[in-house]
Amino acid sequence: AQTVTQSQPEMSVQEAETVTLSCTYDTSENNYYLFWYKQPPSRQMILVIRQEAYKQQNATENRFSVNFQKAAKSFSLKISDSQLGDTAMYFCAFMKPYSGYALNFGKGTSLLVTP
Amino acid sequence: ETGVTQTPRHLVMGMTNKKSLKCEQHLGHNAMYWYKQSAKKPLELMFVYSLEERVENNSVPSRFSPECPNSSHLFLHLHTLQPEDSALYLCASSQTYKPSGSDSYEQYFGPGTRLTVT
Repeated sequence: AQTVTQSQPEMSVQEAETVTLSCTYDTSENNYYLFWYKQPPSRQMILVIRQEAYKQQNATENRFSVNFQKAAKSFSLKISDSQLGDTAMYFCAFMKPYSGYALNFGKGTSLLVTP
Repeated sequence: ETGVTQTPRHLVMGMTNKKSLKCEQHLGHNAMYWYKQSAKKPLELMFVYSLEERVENNSVPSRFSPECPNSSHLFLHLHTLQPEDSALYLCASSQTYKPSGSDSYEQYFGPGTRLTVT
C-alpha cells in the first residue's frame, strides 16, 4: 500500500505572503497521480491541483503551484499571495490508476491565514 | 442540483438502529466512492464502485453495507453501529475512462454526512 506523509500538522501565514506545505509518499509504482485537496471549515473537499507522475513539468493553478520531485518522492504545494479564504485543511493524496482509482490521503495540514 | 450531494447532512443514531446514507452525483461520472473521515486519522477509503460494480472493499465491517443501483446513486446502509463509527462520511465520484483518452481521475466530493452513534 502507498503511504502519504504530511509532516506539518499546522501552519500559519500572513495574508499576501507565500507558504509551502510539504508532502512525501512511498510507492514502487512508476505511473501514478498526485493531488492536493482543500477542505475549508464548511467541510466540502475541493481539488486544488493535480500532477501526473509522467509529466516532469510542475503543475500550476493560479496562485497554487507544486514542486514535484519524483526521485525524492516529494510533492509540495506552494501558495502565493495567501488570502484569508485559503484557511483550510490541506490534504495530499496519491492515486494509482487502473487499480480501483482510490485516493490514499495524508493526515492533512491545517493552514491558518492571518490578516 | 449540481456536483455531488449527500443526505442527510447530520445523523444521530443508536447502536441498534438501521439507517441509510444517500449520495447522488450530477456529473455523469462512472465511479463512486465512500470515505470515512475520523478525527486525527487520514481519510479512509471504504468502498469503490466502478460502472455500478464494487471493485474495492477496504476491509470494512459488515455493519456497513453499500449499494449502487445506478451510476448516479450510492447508498451506505448502516446497522448495529458502534460509537467508534461516529465520523464524517464522504461520498465522491470520478470519471475513470473517457473515450477521448483524456482521463483526469480527480474525484469530486460531496459535503459529507456527520454521523454520531450513541
